[in-house]
Amino acid sequence: GQNIDQPTEMTATEGAIVQINCTYQTSGFNGLFWYQQHAGEAPTFLSYNVLDGLEEKGRFSSFLSRSKGYSYLLLKELQMKDSASYLCAASSNDYKLSFGAGTTVTVRA
Amino acid sequence: ETGVTQTPRHLVMGMTNKKSLKCEQHLGHNAMYWYKQSAKKPLELMFVYNFKEQTENNSVPSRFSPECPNSSHLFLHLHTLQPEDSALYLCASSQEEGTGGQPQHFGDGTRLSIL
Repeated sequence: GQNIDQPTEMTATEGAIVQINCTYQTSGFNGLFWYQQHAGEAPTFLSYNVLDGLEEKGRFSSFLSRSKGYSYLLLKELQMKDSASYLCAASSNDYKLSFGAGTTVTVRA
Repeated sequence: ETGVTQTPRHLVMGMTNKKSLKCEQHLGHNAMYWYKQSAKKPLELMFVYNFKEQTENNSVPSRFSPECPNSSHLFLHLHTLQPEDSALYLCASSQEEGTGGQPQHFGDGTRLSIL
């Protein structure tokens, strides 16, 4: 079976940095996705990591350690519009995605 | 605008009703997916279609019946649902199933409430 763990909620101040951790256990591994989902809206793709290391995309970065079954999403210079749920999803050998329950990030002024 | 459109956005139905959810993608993708999203729970994969052929039925009860007439359209037919089926139903598409690194593009979902 698949097991994806991420924190339920996080709160941070506008302009700050927040790191959302995700640990995974899957039958085979073909990469790790992060999605952002605003309330009442579609999840939207943020990043994909398949090799170890840090991928940077503007204010958002994602890190992967395959040996540790661990990833994080780093949100820098937080803005109010970053308040959303962030979903971690691991791709297994059959390329199916297993999702975590999501981390709700609240950005306060 | 994600390129994946779901209708209706909201649906309230009784347990004896029959209704259908519709999904249409304008991205030229060949794989389409149905997911169920319940509060505080991970997205649950229900069905996968790749080039119009069903490749996954994740032990979904028969009261949910998918249909994929072509690569751009996906339906979920509902009948005799239970209160625990109340959830957000998300449709997604990707270039094709079985290729690594291809992100799935999601619609806004249908919020389903069973009375």
